[in-house]
Amino acid sequence: DADVTQTPRNRITKTGKRIMLECSQTKGHDRMYWYRQDPGLGLRLIYYSFDVKDINKGEISDGYSVSRQAQAKFSLSLESAIPNQTALYFCATSDLGGSQETQYFGPGTRLLVL
Amino acid sequence: SQELEQSPQSLIVQEGKNLTINCTSSKTLYGLYWYKQKYGEGLIFLMMLQKGGEEKSHEKITAKLDEKKQQSSLHITASQPSHAGIYLCGADHGSARQLTFGSGTQLTVLP
Repeated sequence: DADVTQTPRNRITKTGKRIMLECSQTKGHDRMYWYRQDPGLGLRLIYYSFDVKDINKGEISDGYSVSRQAQAKFSLSLESAIPNQTALYFCATSDLGGSQETQYFGPGTRLLVL
Repeated sequence: SQELEQSPQSLIVQEGKNLTINCTSSKTLYGLYWYKQKYGEGLIFLMMLQKGGEEKSHEKITAKLDEKKQQSSLHITASQPSHAGIYLCGADHGSARQLTFGSGTQLTVLP
């Protein structure tokens, strides 16, 4: 079984709709991240959480919100989806250990906003 | 991110050929990560480099870190179709352990 899972894997929605992307992990990591990937722009950080009570904005948080329901769950919401939020969304986890942390990624959610 | 430049953006090679992908940072590197992404899939961690001059290998993939140049290179020897995908570098610039990613290199290996 995958350590980091994302649901749904694909989603088509209409402009103005509210949608939620979910991420679950079984790695026992404290840190979780949401990224979006657009062609030619690489990965950009939306939000991150270092533990259940900690939420931080990333590079491109406008139009998004998150909820850290438990150590294992981190969800991303688009309150009112717009077409330029069409992208591939990744959740990642990492653990504080040593001087460096490796981030482990989920399989991604492909979102299309019409 | 402009803080992290990858080159080339895309690369097409014949099976069996060697190739190199570069990742250059405009800021001090505290750690440099290499990931591979296949279409429709998530990112697979390949290796992490931390110290200047460090070199790591995984099967036929070798990565080096030149701390002075703030650059890392990923070298694939005797490429195979299974090496095809998008290679991304991610940098720790010392900002609360967040990673900044390059825009990726699309590698195609022709059989």
